[in-house]
Amino acid sequence: AQKVTQAQTEISVVEKEDVTLDCVYETRDTTYYLFWYKQPPSGELVFLIRRNSFDEQNEISGRYSWNFQKSTSSFNFTITASQVVDSAVYFCAPVRVHGSSNTGKLIFGQGTTLQVKP
Amino acid sequence: DVKVTQSSRYLVKRTGEKVFLECVQDMDHENMFWYRQDPGLGLRLIYFSYDVKMKEKGDIPEGYSVSREKKERFSLILESASTNQTSMYLCASLGGNEKLFFGSGTQLSVL
Repeated sequence: AQKVTQAQTEISVVEKEDVTLDCVYETRDTTYYLFWYKQPPSGELVFLIRRNSFDEQNEISGRYSWNFQKSTSSFNFTITASQVVDSAVYFCAPVRVHGSSNTGKLIFGQGTTLQVKP
Repeated sequence: DVKVTQSSRYLVKRTGEKVFLECVQDMDHENMFWYRQDPGLGLRLIYFSYDVKMKEKGDIPEGYSVSREKKERFSLILESASTNQTSMYLCASLGGNEKLFFGSGTQLSVL
């Protein structure tokens, strides 16, 4: 079974601060993907990143970066120089790679609500 | 761009009513999903479908059924709505690389 823990329910920062969103997952699968999704106030979840379980290289995309540590089962997300438009709910989610019946069955964490104040 | 459209943004229904939530995707995706989102609980999978007329239960299927008569349309049905089904319902379809595309959601209130 898979389980995702996003321990931070709400985070509030002031614009231009850096902020890290934590994600810890539990899985018995050896091969899986990890995702981050953003849900702005409009409601539609937006894909941010997908990582393979066997690729532990950190990734940077503009102001976003992700730190994947398989040994600690963590997949943390950092926003550098946060902006008001970053205000949203952020979800971490793993999914099994193999097995057609599991394809796309993401197990979402509870989400972290990020508020960036001007 | 992939588009997943949910027919209603807000719905208000009475207890005991039969409720249909519609979802349409325009990218010929095979897999489609229904989630519900509640504060403090994140997104929970209700049902999913991996082909026309095929469906599988998710984690919380009780009180719900689904219909997939055409590839582009996946309907969630509340046979007899109850107040504990008041929630945000999100539909998604699966594109390449296991990437989910979501609709904007339907906020259902059952009175």
